[in-house]
Amino acid sequence: SQKIEQNSEALNIQEGKTATLTCNYTNYSPAYLQWYRQDPGRGPVFLLLIRENEKEKRKERLKVTFDTTLKQSLFHITASQPADSATYLCALPDKLIFGTGTRLQVFP
Amino acid sequence: DAMVIQNPRYQVTQFGKPVTLSCSQTLNHNVMYWYQQKSSQAPKLLFHYYDKDFNNEADTPDNFQSRRPNTSFCFLDIRSPGLGDAAMYLCATSRDIVGEAQYFGPGTRLTVL
Repeated sequence: SQKIEQNSEALNIQEGKTATLTCNYTNYSPAYLQWYRQDPGRGPVFLLLIRENEKEKRKERLKVTFDTTLKQSLFHITASQPADSATYLCALPDKLIFGTGTRLQVFP
Repeated sequence: DAMVIQNPRYQVTQFGKPVTLSCSQTLNHNVMYWYQQKSSQAPKLLFHYYDKDFNNEADTPDNFQSRRPNTSFCFLDIRSPGLGDAAMYLCATSRDIVGEAQYFGPGTRLTVL
């Protein structure tokens, strides 16, 4: 069956640094992959969708890469801020199969 | 603002007492989803509607039912809640099943006593 893993349960970084989160998947060849942000007690919020023919996608300080050979997506937040602290979820289509998320904490 | 609304935000019920959670959307999206999320776990899809077509996930317990009377509203019915059903229930919408972002509501936190 399809499986999606986010390698780090938690990631702590200092403000201003680049946070890099990893998402790996198996038994699947997705046409696209999505990233969401979830704050405690709230629903996930869509951030980015990257398609299999897109190696990289950017949105403001966010950058996502998609390597279909490695079956991996990387999510980067540059110039991180304490307000970026949240859990970040990757998700496979269709209907969304979510990873368990990486809890990012950005310290001042 | 266009959004996904869930009511109530917090629901307390007794073991075995039926409960209904509601979701409404102003996005006019075709697809509505219900997810269950337990602490420190990924959201787990229970079922979804594409317009009026209901799609149940294979491992969704029979205890969980859903209704979508119109485009805007979708309900989650838990017929006989058990202690293991305590969780956050998330409603989401999307324009289509494939290649579209999902828009989530704030969730309903269900407590079963």
